Amino acid sequence: AQSVTQPDIHITVSEGASLELRCNYSYGATPYLFWYVQSPGQGLQLLLKYFSGDTLVQGIKGFEAEFKRSQSSFNLRKPSVHWSDAAEYFCAVGAQGGSEKLVFGKGTKLTVNP
Amino acid sequence: EADIYQTPRYLVIGTGKKITLECSQTMGHDKMYWYQQDPGMELHLIHYSYGVNSTEKGDLSSESTVSRIRTEHFPLTLESARPSHTSQYLCASKRGTEAFFGQGTRLTVV
Repeated sequence: AQSVTQPDIHITVSEGASLELRCNYSYGATPYLFWYVQSPGQGLQLLLKYFSGDTLVQGIKGFEAEFKRSQSSFNLRKPSVHWSDAAEYFCAVGAQGGSEKLVFGKGTKLTVNP
Repeated sequence: EADIYQTPRYLVIGTGKKITLECSQTMGHDKMYWYQQDPGMELHLIHYSYGVNSTEKGDLSSESTVSRIRTEHFPLTLESARPSHTSQYLCASKRGTEAFFGQGTRLTVV
C-alpha cells in the first residue's frame, strides 16, 4: 500500500531564508507525486507535480521539488521564503488504478518569522 | 482556476440532526472524492465516485453517505450527526492525474 511520510510537523524559518520540506513515499511502481499547500480555512492548492521525466520540477509561487528514486523522496524547496508562504504543506502520492485516490502525508506547518 | 465549490463553509449543528454537505464542480470531471481532515492528521478518503450513479466507500470508515445523480454534484449526507463527526470535509474532482479541491466544510457537532 502507498504511504507518505513528512518527518517535520512544524518548521519555522525567517523571511528571506531558504526552505526545504521533506517527503518520503512508499509505492511499488513509479509514483505520481504532488505537493499541495493549504492556508488556514482553505482547501488545498496544487503547487507542483511529478509524473515522469525531469526529476526537478518547477511549480507555482517559486517552489520546486526534486524526485529521488533511490531515496524515495520528493522534497520541496524554495530559495527565499516570503511571509505569505506561511501555511501547511502536504505531500501526496497518487494511486494508479482503482479509486486513483491521493494518499497524503500528515503535513508540515510552516511559520515564517519577519 | 479550478471551479469546485463547497457549501456551507462552516456549520455548527446539534447532535442528532441530519445534514448535507454540498459539493459542485463545473469542470465536467467524472471522478469526485470526499476526504476527511482532522487537525495534525493526513487527509483520509471516505467516499469516491467514478461518475453518475457510481459511489464507493473509501479507506476511512464513515457513517456518511453520498450520491451522484448528476456529474457536477456530489453531496455528502449524515443522517444523524454526532460529536465524533466534527471534522473538516474536503471535496475534490479529478482530471487525469490532477485533483482540484474545494475550500472545505468545517463541521462542528455539539
